Amino acid sequence: QKEVEQDPGPLSVPEGAIVSLNCTYSNSAFQYFMWYRQYSRKGPELLMYTYSSGNKEDGRFTAQVDKSSKYISLFIRDSQPSDSATYLCAIPRGANNLFFGTGTRLTVIP
Amino acid sequence: DAGITQSPRHKVTETGTPVTLRCHQTENHRYMYWYRQDPGHGLRLIHYSYGVKDTDKGEVSDGYSVSRSKTEDFLLTLESATSSQTSVYFCAISWTEGNTIYFGEGSWLTVV
Repeated sequence: QKEVEQDPGPLSVPEGAIVSLNCTYSNSAFQYFMWYRQYSRKGPELLMYTYSSGNKEDGRFTAQVDKSSKYISLFIRDSQPSDSATYLCAIPRGANNLFFGTGTRLTVIP
Repeated sequence: DAGITQSPRHKVTETGTPVTLRCHQTENHRYMYWYRQDPGHGLRLIHYSYGVKDTDKGEVSDGYSVSRSKTEDFLLTLESATSSQTSVYFCAISWTEGNTIYFGEGSWLTVV
């Protein structure tokens, strides 16, 4: 079983829709969770991070962790065409590495 | 912009030839990383460095070597390129261990 798994999509939604992106992880000891956004032919950029469980909100983005089910989610409200990108969940592996999901490609249609 | 420059950005090379990718940072970050990104596998760590001349292997290090002779430069070398090393390579940096990792723009390598 991979340390973190992510539905690759692709996911296509109309502008203004609420988007839900999800990952599952295998190790209940993981405490720190990240979401990266990667535009086409660009490097990943950190979008949000959360520690332990609960929600964290940043503008239109909300990161949620459910430790009981080992499930992490990223919600995007009022999605915009500029949100079209691949979204990667990531979990720290020791001090010097990250486990990455394979990414979900999102397209927001105007 | 995380102050990371990768070169070359695109390269096509033949099987069996050596290839060196360069990562240059202007942020004076201690930690530098090389990842590769492949469909179905996501990003995987090749090697990382925690200081000048201090490097260690990641999860997919076979066929790769690295060197860091200056804080700002981290080189990734494919000693004898193979088609399985066709990939997108990302350099990344972080200030301290466990801190946020920032990525460069990527180097597209095709081995024919």
